[in-house]
Amino acid sequence: DAKTTQPNSMESNEEEPVHLPCNHSTISGTDYIHWYRQLPSQGPEYVIHGLTSNVNNRMASLAIAEDRKSSTLILHRATLRDAAVYYCILRDPNTNAGKSTFGDGTTLTVKP
Amino acid sequence: EAGVAQSPRYKIIEKRQSVAFWCNPISGHATLYWYQQILGQGPKLLIQFQNNGVVDDSQLPKDRFSAERLKGVDSTLKIQPAKLEDSAVYLCASSLRVGREGTGTEAFFGQGTRLTVV
Repeated sequence: DAKTTQPNSMESNEEEPVHLPCNHSTISGTDYIHWYRQLPSQGPEYVIHGLTSNVNNRMASLAIAEDRKSSTLILHRATLRDAAVYYCILRDPNTNAGKSTFGDGTTLTVKP
Repeated sequence: EAGVAQSPRYKIIEKRQSVAFWCNPISGHATLYWYQQILGQGPKLLIQFQNNGVVDDSQLPKDRFSAERLKGVDSTLKIQPAKLEDSAVYLCASSLRVGREGTGTEAFFGQGTRLTVV
């Protein structure tokens, strides 16, 4: 499986934007970039995914580099409820369809 | 829409004992996954079912772990006998479908079962 690299931890102030980076230099042409987050004592929760173009939904935005070797999850206004571990995952629907290989993620701390 | 249900929430057993976990996926979801999450690490896929057939069990320790999904709905994961290193949270997830990307392939997770082996 292609690997992703994320910082272990990041801090943000409440109501400020947060940019969570992910490097995936070995990404293949058919890999989709998925983001999940895990709140304390909860199972992971789907956030967003994309292939080449930037994506927006009600939770976040996903910015994908032109060469697709990195991506950034953007939380536009962080709240205390956004404090969680954020996972960046690559999924190829043709080979490991549905299989999500999780790394250790980025622990986001939001300060009031 | 009801989420993925798992039980029990917590379980404490002694090493060499047996334990079973139950999962009820979201209605209509064809794909079901079991993950193991050791404290401080990301979830690791143990087994993936498509309906009631196994798609991937390459990381399932088959000498002690087993899983089944009867009638393509509920699933159970069993450990027999348990070891100390099996202490972890066991997560069940389901997705509407796999294969062609798009809506419906995201996975929905249950709250997990926290297993402590002493």
